[in-house]
Amino acid sequence: DAGVIQSPRHEVTEMGQEVTLRCKPISGHNSLFWYRQTMMRGLELLIYFNNNVPIDDSGMPEDRFSAKMPNASFSTLKIQPSEPRDSAVYFCASSRTGLEEKLFFGSGTQLSVL
Amino acid sequence: AQSVTQLDSQVPVFEEAPVELRCNYSSSVSVYLFWYVQYPNQGLQLLLKYLSGSTLVKGINGFEAEFNKSQTSFHLRKPSVHISDTAEYFCAVSDDRDDKIIFGKGTRLHILP
Repeated sequence: DAGVIQSPRHEVTEMGQEVTLRCKPISGHNSLFWYRQTMMRGLELLIYFNNNVPIDDSGMPEDRFSAKMPNASFSTLKIQPSEPRDSAVYFCASSRTGLEEKLFFGSGTQLSVL
Repeated sequence: AQSVTQLDSQVPVFEEAPVELRCNYSSSVSVYLFWYVQYPNQGLQLLLKYLSGSTLVKGINGFEAEFNKSQTSFHLRKPSVHISDTAEYFCAVSDDRDDKIIFGKGTRLHILP
């Protein structure tokens, strides 16, 4: 298995533009998580899905952020419009169902909003 | 809600010396505890986890951690570090009540030659 695949690896955009981050979880994993990592706040959980259904989106910072999981093998995190304070590394992770299961992380998307 | 505190943001240690990275958690129910490692420009990888049973858990790369319920701690240790251990280490906790995994802010381990 190739692991969790995220794209793009790096994204540089201008303030106000729409940004879409993509994630392909490991086949057979039922849970998918989106995290944001910054120096100031560390690793923050934004949203997670179980069996393609959003379970908890309380970590999504504001309405500019939205996430979808149309099927078991694909998820997107969208920011519209983007702002400089959104600059961070965004990680996608997947796991089998169950909080005792370990997370498998993708390599992340480094987002820079100018 | 559960929370995780990693008291040290950075820990410098000489190569071949022992190291301990501290982690304290708060939760009023039974917990699952994890340590993850993040090497530069990579995602996180699981080092070890505690679910139940023996309080001393052994992980990959010679790391181990001890669950101490009375002190609500899950400190990570290695008896002799190597330059390749340079990375950021994250403690994480989950429990059945809150239904999510929470990470600490991480501890950056610097190995000095």
